[in-house]
Amino acid sequence: DTAVSQTPKYLVTQMGNDKSIKCEQNLGHDTMYWYKQDSKKFLKIMFSYNNKELIINETVPNRFSPKSPDKAHLNLHINSLELGDSAVYFCASSQRDNQPQHFGDGTRLSIL
Amino acid sequence: GESVGLHLPTLSVQEGDNSIINCAYSNSASDYFIWYKQESGKGPQFIIDIRSNMDKRQGQRVTVLLNKTVKHLSLQIAATQPGDSAVYFCAERFTGANNLFFGTGTRLTVIP
Repeated sequence: DTAVSQTPKYLVTQMGNDKSIKCEQNLGHDTMYWYKQDSKKFLKIMFSYNNKELIINETVPNRFSPKSPDKAHLNLHINSLELGDSAVYFCASSQRDNQPQHFGDGTRLSIL
Repeated sequence: GESVGLHLPTLSVQEGDNSIINCAYSNSASDYFIWYKQESGKGPQFIIDIRSNMDKRQGQRVTVLLNKTVKHLSLQIAATQPGDSAVYFCAERFTGANNLFFGTGTRLTVIP
C-alpha cells in the first residue's frame, strides 16, 4: 500500500498549457506539502496545507495553486506553464509539522 | 569516508566501511532535524530524526549526531552496503515554522 501517491509519474507538455498533478495520502496525516526539486537535486518547499491554513512560499509564482478537496488529497494546478517549470514535483504529508514527512515518488514535469 | 554535505557533494566508500555524511545547517533556532535518503527515481525516504534537546540518536545501522554549538549535523552509517548508495539530505525545521528546509544533498556511492 503506497502511503503517498502522485499521478502522473511523468508529464510532458508544451509551454503555455495548464496542467494538474494529483496527490493522495492514506496515512491519516493532517498536513500535506508540495516541493519542487530542480536539476541539481535541490528540494524547495512550495506549499504546506492543513485543514486550517495554507502557507505559500512567497517565491512561488501565482500560476501555481494547490487545491485540497479533502484532508487526504492535495492537488497542484499549474497555469501557463513555462520552460523553467521543468522539474520533479514531490508531494509529502506529516501528522504534525515537527514529525517526519512522508514523500511520494514524484512527478517529472518536462516542458517542451 | 567523510564529507561535508554542502561543499563536497559526493562521497565514495568501500562496502563494509563506515560512512559519515555531514551537514552544516543554517538557523540556530532550528529545533528539529531529519535525514532523508533519496534513490534514483524515488522520493526522499525518512531515515532518522533528532530534536534539538538531544545530541545523539541511534537507529538500525545509523546514528545522527547534533552539535548545536557549531550548527552541525552528521549521519553515520555503519557497515555501508551497496543498497545505501543514494543521495542523502539533511533538513531542518525552524522553530515555529511548519515546513522543512533541505540542504543540498550528498551523493553516497558504495564500491563493492
